[in-house]
Amino acid sequence: NFMLTQPHSVSESPEKTVTISCTGSSGSIANNYVQWYQQRPGSAPTTVIYEDKRRPSGVPDRFSGSIDSSSNSASLTISELKTEDEADYYCQSSDTSNLWVFGGGTKLTVL
Amino acid sequence: EVRLVESGGGLVQPGGSQRLSCVGSGLTVSSNYMYWVRRAPGKGLEWVSLIYSDGKSYYADSVKGRFTISRDNSKNTLYLQMNSLRAEDTAVYYCTRTPYWGQGTLVTVSS
Repeated sequence: NFMLTQPHSVSESPEKTVTISCTGSSGSIANNYVQWYQQRPGSAPTTVIYEDKRRPSGVPDRFSGSIDSSSNSASLTISELKTEDEADYYCQSSDTSNLWVFGGGTKLTVL
Repeated sequence: EVRLVESGGGLVQPGGSQRLSCVGSGLTVSSNYMYWVRRAPGKGLEWVSLIYSDGKSYYADSVKGRFTISRDNSKNTLYLQMNSLRAEDTAVYYCTRTPYWGQGTLVTVSS
C-alpha cells in the first residue's frame, strides 16, 4: 500500500522559514498531484497548496509547495512564520487506484 | 463563492444509523468527484468514501459494507448513509473536493 510519511512535529520561531516534508513509500510521488491542508484546532481543514504548487486564492505567497523526485518527496515551505500558522498540516496524494492517501500529519508549533 | 455545508451529525448508539448531508453552492456536486473525509479524536485525516461523476463509488476498508455514498443532483447534495455504527466511527466528517472543504459535522457513537 502506498503511504505518505511526514514528521510528527516541527517547531520554529516567528519570522523564520520552516519546511515540512512528505515522503512517498513507493513509486514516484511525481506521478500524482500532491495537496497540502492546514487544520487549526477546532476548525475544518483548508487547502494551502494543490496540484503540487498552486495556491488557492486567499492563501498568502508565504506558502509554497515543491516536489523532489530524487527523494520521492514533496515539501511545504512556510516563510515569515506567524503565530497564526500554528496548526496541523497534512499532505495528500493518490495511490495507483487514484484513491486519496493522507500523510499522518505534522504539528507545526510557532514559538 | 463555493460553499459546502454538512449536516446530520449527532449522538448515536453503537449499531445505529445516521445520514449525513452536504449541500453545495457555487459548485456542482455531481461533477468530477466528491469525497467524505473524517478526523477522529487524536487521529489524522482519513478518507471514507468517494463518488465520481459517473456514479462509481469507493469506500475505505474500515467502512466498506456499512456506509453508502450517494447524491441528489436536483438538490446539489451529497449524502453518506452510515449503518452499524461503531465507537471508532466517532469523528468529524467533512465533504470535500479539492480545493474546497465543508465545515464538518460531528458524529459521536456512544451508549
